[in-house]
Amino acid sequence: DAGVIQSPRHEVTEMGQEVTLRCKPISGHNSLFWYRQTMMRGLELLIYFNNNVPIDDSGMPEDRFSAKMPNASFSTLKIQPSEPRDSAVYFCASRRTSGKGGEQFFGPGTRLTVL
Amino acid sequence: QQQVKQSPQSLIVQKGGISIINCAYENTAFDYFPWYQQFPGKGPALLIAIRPDVSEKKEGRFTISFNKSAKQFSLHIMDSQPGDSATYFCAANTNDYKLSFGAGTTVTVRA
Repeated sequence: DAGVIQSPRHEVTEMGQEVTLRCKPISGHNSLFWYRQTMMRGLELLIYFNNNVPIDDSGMPEDRFSAKMPNASFSTLKIQPSEPRDSAVYFCASRRTSGKGGEQFFGPGTRLTVL
Repeated sequence: QQQVKQSPQSLIVQKGGISIINCAYENTAFDYFPWYQQFPGKGPALLIAIRPDVSEKKEGRFTISFNKSAKQFSLHIMDSQPGDSATYFCAANTNDYKLSFGAGTTVTVRA
């Protein structure tokens, strides 16, 4: 199994530009999570999908952030327009079950730098 | 507001020594407590997890101790090895899917 796949691994962009991060979850997993990791705030859950449906987007910082999951094998996180304070590592994670305690498998992350 | 408080922020231990990381929580509804290990440039990976119906769980050199009455749990790394150098996060579930993570502890094992 290839694990959770994220692309790109690194993204450098200028303020005001649109950024799209991509995620392919592990096959057979029906839950998908987007996290953001910063030194100041640690690991924060941005949005949670179950069976391709957004269940909890309360962690999305503002309307500039949007996420989609058009099918079970692909999700995107878009930031438009990007700002320097969006610089962080963004992780996608997937999980097989929807019940408590199911292990979340994290991807390698996308390091975003907004200049 | 972090619902799980983790300490220390960093620690250095000699090879063969014991690393101890502590976490505390307030919400008594938490009932799943995982520890994640993260190497530089990688995503966090589940290391070991415990539920509050047991006081200790051991997997190899890694042990979780859980004190329900004190609302504290800790990770012990026995016989620490240079390959254990990483950042460790404790966490607790706030519901069926949401994990609240501690701030992380960077462990450095000196050879």
